[in-house]
Amino acid sequence: GEDVEQSLFLSVREGDSSVINCTYTDSSSTYLYWYKQEPGAGLQLLTYIFSNMDMKQDQRLTVLLNKKDKHLSLRIADTQTGDSAIYFCAETGGGADGLTFGKGTHLIIQP
Amino acid sequence: KAGVTQTPRYLIKTRGQQVTLSCSPISGHRSVSWYQQTPGQGLQFLFEYFSETQRNKGNFPGRFSGRQFSNSRSEMNVSTLELGDSALYLCASSFGQGIYGYTFGSGTRLTVV
Repeated sequence: GEDVEQSLFLSVREGDSSVINCTYTDSSSTYLYWYKQEPGAGLQLLTYIFSNMDMKQDQRLTVLLNKKDKHLSLRIADTQTGDSAIYFCAETGGGADGLTFGKGTHLIIQP
Repeated sequence: KAGVTQTPRYLIKTRGQQVTLSCSPISGHRSVSWYQQTPGQGLQFLFEYFSETQRNKGNFPGRFSGRQFSNSRSEMNVSTLELGDSALYLCASSFGQGIYGYTFGSGTRLTVV
């Protein structure tokens, strides 16, 4: 089946930039998303990008998409302690396909 | 506007019993999908409903079923519960096939003992 891969952990210092990477295998992926999950909570949609885009910026968040390499990244500028969470990459081909998620990247903030 | 509402928040059931979980989508959203989250398997797609019709189903046994009502509210049912069904069950709603993303509820934490 289709697959989405992420590193399990990322540790950064407060104030630095965090870059979370994701690779996917489905060449028909149309929409790609980044979700954030804090302990005991559901998933919060951070941002999304269409497959015909290369980059999207939204305040501290920058998403880069390399469709040729099927690589997606999320950059969080000026990382704060409140950014500590699990970040999930997800993709769908649209329609009724449902989302395919990665295993999530635990972002750890060092003071 | 109100977000996606899932009830109950927590549930404890005994093996062999059945359970029904409820999801109220964001007003105006006609698509509702369900996901199971476990530490071992991560987030897995269960099924998706649009206008009361199931449009797709993930790789889960027939014990997992769902339905959607005319007001877009959805329920999922798990019959003959097994210990492995213990998970966080998340519901998501979207406006149009996920073009603007899927909004998730806080989930129902099901524990099977």
